[in-house]
Amino acid sequence: GAVVSQHPSWVICKSGTSVKIECRSLDFQATTMFWYRQFPKQSLMLMATSNEGSKATYEQGVEKDKFLINHASLTLSTLTVTSAHPEDSSFYICSARDVVNPNYGYTFGSGTRLTVV
Amino acid sequence: GENVEQHPSTLSVQEGDSAVIKCTYSDSASNYFPWYKQELGKRPQLIIDIRSNVGEKKDQRIAVTLNKTAKHFSLHITETQPEDSAVYFCAAHTRGGSNYKLTFGKGTLLTVNP
Repeated sequence: GAVVSQHPSWVICKSGTSVKIECRSLDFQATTMFWYRQFPKQSLMLMATSNEGSKATYEQGVEKDKFLINHASLTLSTLTVTSAHPEDSSFYICSARDVVNPNYGYTFGSGTRLTVV
Repeated sequence: GENVEQHPSTLSVQEGDSAVIKCTYSDSASNYFPWYKQELGKRPQLIIDIRSNVGEKKDQRIAVTLNKTAKHFSLHITETQPEDSAVYFCAAHTRGGSNYKLTFGKGTLLTVNP
């Protein structure tokens, strides 16, 4: 079945630094990838949708200059949290969509626990 | 945009009992409704899904029903076991601008007591 790999699984960084998270579709081509943020005991909130070769579409209230998304190939999307602050500490999960999959193709990565100190 | 409401937020049942979680959605164009189980610190796992042209789907102890007219869908777990304890999310697949996307409910913390 479709597999999505996400790295790193956890990261601790200092306030003011940047962190890059990678999301790879291992056995299918993902023209569309999604980035979610999940705070403790809350639901998954969609941050942005990235389409290969074009600019990401950000949800209302998400700062595009702070959360940089690059989807340069059909198998890789990256999320860079720039100038991270403690309030950015959260669980970030990517999802890749395999449009060939009859189940509408939403496969999730394993998530990245970001802690900003 | 799409809005998905999920109830209850917490549910506690005895082992062997049934559990029912309900969701409503607002966008009549939504056409695919997955349910996910998420354990602490893990990724959401798809447990069952239903398309808008189907009213009910069952997979062993798990079933999902969809009422398009009322715009609500429900997850039914029978003969619950302690390992069913987790957070369950419903979602609706719909078009948002130029992209399709999933909108999630707020989740239900299910606890199955031995």
